[in-house]
Amino acid sequence: AQTVTQSQPEMSVQEAETVTLSCTYDTSESDYYLFWYKQPPSRQMILVIRQEAYKQQNATENRFSVNFQKAAKSFSLKISDSQLGDAAMYFCAYYSYNNNDMRFGAGTRLTVKP
Amino acid sequence: DTGVSQDPRHKITKRGQNVTFRCDPISEHNRLYWYRQTLGQGPEFLTYFQNEAQLEKSRLLSDRFSAERPKGSFSTLEIQRTEQGDSAMYLCASSSGQGSSGNTIYFGEGSWLTVV
Repeated sequence: AQTVTQSQPEMSVQEAETVTLSCTYDTSESDYYLFWYKQPPSRQMILVIRQEAYKQQNATENRFSVNFQKAAKSFSLKISDSQLGDAAMYFCAYYSYNNNDMRFGAGTRLTVKP
Repeated sequence: DTGVSQDPRHKITKRGQNVTFRCDPISEHNRLYWYRQTLGQGPEFLTYFQNEAQLEKSRLLSDRFSAERPKGSFSTLEIQRTEQGDSAMYLCASSSGQGSSGNTIYFGEGSWLTVV
């Protein structure tokens, strides 16, 4: 079964600075999707960015970008020019075509300091 | 708003009672998922529907849990004889299953269950 590991329970960043959240996963599949979701205190899960495993190019969405290293099974999220509204729990997730389900890491709580 | 909607948002029930949650997915999304999330943890997969067919069930889904999606639109998740360990947020999500973004899963706001 696929597992997702987020080794940083908590991270902190100064407003306007850059922070990188780590994620590793374990799988024997060759094709899959990876996602980063944000869960603010309101608790609704919001999609931040996604990456198809067959694409070598790293995905970017405005201030959010990923560093996808397929061989290393690593999928980190970089947040540039951090804003107070970025404060939330961030979950890395793995989507399996075979199982049609999504597995989540335990999350990283990001604090943004003004 | 055409996002995933869940009802009720909060439910407090006594141990042993039955509870039912409803989920309305994004219109025309044929895939529907239920997850459970406890404080400090990531969501855990419970079950998955493709239209009205329940295709996957986690071993977390004990015999007290049942989910249905009778017409391939809304879904219900029922928990019978609730236990304190059932206290969690139950998240519903949907995806279209089509096109380049078909595997992107969109979540509702969740239904928070407290068993006392």
